[in-house]
Amino acid sequence: DTEVTQTPKHLVMGMTNKKSLKCEQHMGHRAMYWYKQKAKKPPELMFVYSYEKLSINESVPSRFSPECPNSSLLNLHLHALQPEDSALYLCASSPWAGQQDSYEQYFGPGTRLTVT
Amino acid sequence: RKEVEQDPGPFNVPEGATVAFNCTYSNSASQSFFWYRQDCRKEPKLLMSVYSSGNEDGRFTAQLNRASQYISLLIRDSKLSDSATYLCVVKSVGPGGGNKLTFGTGTQLKVEL
Repeated sequence: DTEVTQTPKHLVMGMTNKKSLKCEQHMGHRAMYWYKQKAKKPPELMFVYSYEKLSINESVPSRFSPECPNSSLLNLHLHALQPEDSALYLCASSPWAGQQDSYEQYFGPGTRLTVT
Repeated sequence: RKEVEQDPGPFNVPEGATVAFNCTYSNSASQSFFWYRQDCRKEPKLLMSVYSSGNEDGRFTAQLNRASQYISLLIRDSKLSDSATYLCVVKSVGPGGGNKLTFGTGTQLKVEL
């Protein structure tokens, strides 16, 4: 199984809603990532979890809250989002998070989020 | 200056053409380098890693020059199915020790009949 899965595929939420995005991988990867991608722009890193601990937060607003319950799962909790947060949210994983790691990252299909 | 810069697109080429993409990066401590491909409304997928000695995978050849902080991708005998956005990607280590991928803005390739 070389797949990263994400749910839901599409999500429409109001600015007062609370929702969660989910990501799962069963490849035994120990690093997991959240990216945000706006139309016609490259993915931008949001968070990195290494061995289930948050190792990078790219100054993301607190209305985005990541969670890594175990090595296979990664969640992104959303609260009080703004319309400009509408984007494709991509999850990725890679085999391990060591500093000399040259492994590529495997991306999930993404959740297309619209904030109304 | 952006951390990873790529040729502006789009590149419109006829089927069978050879096309080259260039990329420069600013962080000299970058450790690993990749080319990813992204189709419209899909996730990025790894095309190939890039090694200092240069590497080839079928019609695709990647080169890395660490001294010049320059990466290239050559596609020979272009196919219609090569039409996509090609993303130059650089891996470095973040302050907390986690690996961080930085993506270039991407170059759109359109292969035409």
